[in-house]
Amino acid sequence: NAGVMQNPRHLVRRRGQEARLRCSPMKGHSHVYWYRQLPEEGLKFMVYLQKENIIDESGMPKERFSAEFPKEGPSILRIQQVVRGDSAAYFCASSPLGQADQPQHFGDGTRLSIL
Amino acid sequence: GENVEQHPSTLSVQEGDSAVIKCTYSDSASNYFPWYKQELGKGPQLIIDIRSNVGEKKDQRIAVTLNKTAKHFSLHITETQPEDSAVYFCAAINQAGTALIFGKGTTLSVSS
Repeated sequence: NAGVMQNPRHLVRRRGQEARLRCSPMKGHSHVYWYRQLPEEGLKFMVYLQKENIIDESGMPKERFSAEFPKEGPSILRIQQVVRGDSAAYFCASSPLGQADQPQHFGDGTRLSIL
Repeated sequence: GENVEQHPSTLSVQEGDSAVIKCTYSDSASNYFPWYKQELGKGPQLIIDIRSNVGEKKDQRIAVTLNKTAKHFSLHITETQPEDSAVYFCAAINQAGTALIFGKGTTLSVSS
C-alpha cells in the first residue's frame, strides 16, 4: 500500500515564478490537507479539500495561493509570483474520512526554495 | 485564538531513561490529540493518538495521558533508544473541526 506521495521533493524557483506542488493521497483516501512548515516550527494548516471541493481554506493566504483536488489526478497546491517568504516545506496529508479527528497520514513533503 | 503550546523545545536523555513531553491547548472543544514523530527530511509519522473520552493510552514503550479539565496532554516514552531521536509534535483539532493545530515541536536526543 503506497503512502501519501508528494512531488517534487525539492523545488527551486526564482522570485516571481510559479510553483506547483503535487500530492497523491493514500489509496482509498478522498480527503487532503495541506500544511506549511517553516524551519524549526510546527506545521501550519493551509487548506482542506475533498474531491472537487475546497472545504476549509482559512489557513491559506488570500493572494497568490490556490489549491485544487480534481476528480482525477493529484491535489495541486499552486503558488504564483513566489517571494522569498514562501520558502518552506509543504506537507500534504490524507485521511479516508472527512473529520479532523481521524488519523491523518503525511507525505514526505516538498521543500520549496526561492532564490 | 486557537493555540497549542509544547514543552520542552529540546530534550536530551540517556539511553534507557524515560522522556516526557507536555502540551496544553486552548480550545476546550478539542476532542482528538495525536502525536507525530518527524525524522530529518521526512514527513510527520503518527505514533499515537488519544480521544477525549479516554484518560490514557499505551502502545508498547509509548503512552499518552490527557487531562481535559486542565487542557493538557503528555507523551511518555520509556526505555528510550537512540532511534527514538527525532522531533516530536503534539496536535489538537482546530475549532472548525477541519484540521490539526500543531505545537512547535520537541527535539529529542537519546545518547547511548
